[in-house]
Amino acid sequence: EPEVTQTPSHQVTQMGQEVILRCVPISNHLYFYWYRQILGQKVEFLVSFYNNEISEKSEIFDDQFSVERPDGSNFTLKIRSTKLEDSAMYFCASRGNGYNEQFFGPGTRLTVL
Amino acid sequence: LAKTTQPISMDSYEGQEVNITCSHNNIATNDYITWYQQFPSQGPRFIIQGYKTKVTNEVASLFIPADRKSSTLSLPRVSLSDTAVYYCLVGDARPMYSGGGADGLTFGKGTHLIIQP
Repeated sequence: EPEVTQTPSHQVTQMGQEVILRCVPISNHLYFYWYRQILGQKVEFLVSFYNNEISEKSEIFDDQFSVERPDGSNFTLKIRSTKLEDSAMYFCASRGNGYNEQFFGPGTRLTVL
Repeated sequence: LAKTTQPISMDSYEGQEVNITCSHNNIATNDYITWYQQFPSQGPRFIIQGYKTKVTNEVASLFIPADRKSSTLSLPRVSLSDTAVYYCLVGDARPMYSGGGADGLTFGKGTHLIIQP
């Protein structure tokens, strides 16, 4: 069964450093998403991406965040200058055209020290 | 977005049928009801989606009354592995079928279902 993969599974970084979280969506999917979940809290939508541009973003997704699809398979989330409060689990998801189900990856746990 | 209300937690036993009810009094005409499941340290997983009446798939059933102000997720004969958080989401499904991608999901706190032996 096809699945969304994410790397790394755990990233530890110092405050102020840049991090790039990587995702490989399901190969024939066209819609891509990033969510985050702070420990013990609910899953929060960050951004959706379609046709090589951002479709929708939440207020969490400020200028410190950016997304990119650098090639035909990867989808990345960059945080330019990490803050302590960016520590969370980050989930990538993808969806096929005309389907109603978003497939989530296993997540990257980001720890900012 | 329609606000959803569901129990914070529920307990049941292996082999039982579990019903989790979600209230969504302000549901809009174009809104669909979707349920996701999340295990600890994993991403959410789609379970089922419906608009009205009853929907059934290989893992669950979704019951939606005529007024659509609530819905009930039914899990038949649960096992220990069904212990998870279950989220009820209500939102406009039109972007999913017409393109655009403006369909970021809004998760609430969910229902923590604990299945005991």
